This record gives sequence, C-alpha cells and structure tokens, in this order.
Amino acid sequence: AQKVTQAQTEISVVEKEDVTLDCVYETRDTTYYLFWYKQPPSGELVFLIRRNSFDEQNEISGRYSWNFQKSTSSFNFTITASQVVDSAVYFCALSEARRGSQGNLIFGKGTKLSVKP
Amino acid sequence: EPEVTQTPSHQVTQMGQEVILRCVPISNHLYFYWYRQILGQKVEFLVSFYNNEISEKSEIFDDQFSVERPDGSNFTLKIRSTKLEDSAMYFCASKAGGTDTQYFGPGTRLTVL
Repeated sequence: AQKVTQAQTEISVVEKEDVTLDCVYETRDTTYYLFWYKQPPSGELVFLIRRNSFDEQNEISGRYSWNFQKSTSSFNFTITASQVVDSAVYFCALSEARRGSQGNLIFGKGTKLSVKP
Repeated sequence: EPEVTQTPSHQVTQMGQEVILRCVPISNHLYFYWYRQILGQKVEFLVSFYNNEISEKSEIFDDQFSVERPDGSNFTLKIRSTKLEDSAMYFCASKAGGTDTQYFGPGTRLTVL
C-alpha cells in the first residue's frame, strides 16, 4: 500500500530562519512521482515541485530546495531564510506511475508552518 | 496563465439535499479529478475521470456521488443526498496528457447543516 507520512504537524520559526519539512513515503512501485503542494490560509493548493523516482538530483528554486533520497524513502523540503509569506500548510504527495494509472495523489497529513516576524 | 476554476466558492445545504459542484479544468487537459479535505485534515482522493468515464475511485466515492462532463468544458461532482459528514472542501484538479502534474482549483467549501 502507498502511504505518505509527514511527522511534523506544526512548526513555528522566526523570520529568516531556515526550516526543513520532512516527508517519508511508502510504495511498492519502482516508478512513482513525489510532489509538494502549498496551501496558504486562503485555502487553495499550489503546486511547488514534482520529482520522479529515477531522478534523485536535489533541486533548488530560489529559497526552496528539495532533498530526495530513495535509500531512506524521504523527500524533504527546506525553506532558506523563511518569510512571513511562507506561512502555510505544506503537503507532500505520492502518485503511481504504472501503466494505466491516472496518477491519483496520496497526500500526507500536512505540516503547518508559521513564520513569525 | 490558465487555471482551474470552481463554483461556487461556498455552498451551504441542508442534510438530504442534492448538491452539484462545478469545475472548469484547464482547457487542453484530459484527466480530471475530485479530492476532498475535511477541515484540518489531509486531502483525500475521490475519483479520476478520463475519456468520458471514471478511471478510478476511492472508497469514499460511494453511490451517493457521481461525476459528469456535460459539455466540453465543465466537470461536475454531484452528491445526491448530502450528509453532515460530507461537509468539506472539495477540490477539482486537472492534468494534461503525457504529464504527471495535477493543477488544483481554489476549492468549494461545502457546509451541510
């Protein structure tokens, strides 16, 4: 069965601190995709990044970086120099990539990040 | 930039009533999805739709739920007889063919009284 675990329910940091959000996944598939979505207080789900299981290269996009490690089944997300606007719930998600699958997303429970000025 | 839209943003209904939630996916997308999020909880998959039929559905998506693509642009979720526990945010998402990323609409908050 597939499962996504975000063990950190809530994190609070002060502006300019770095923060890492953890994500651990379980799947029997050898090919799969991992995602991070941001849900700001307004409620919409904003796509941040997608990673496929064959690509373990870490990625950096501005203040955001992602560390994918298949050996530990983790896909962690780091925000450098956090800002108040980063305050949101962040969801990690997994989808199958097998033939015939529509790629339904399995979400973790989310981590609520509060960045205080 | 094209985006998924959903209407209404908030729907209040009485228990036992039928509701229809509407979505307009991104125009060239081929795969459509409904998810729900009970307040404060995780986002859960309901159903996926491709080529005018349901591809996959979860245990949540029972006989009270149905989906339809009545024309070339809209994608609807109907709940026939709403229950209190159907109160949630319902998200529509769409995905282009040959890609893996789903883009979500802003959601419809359904409140069942």
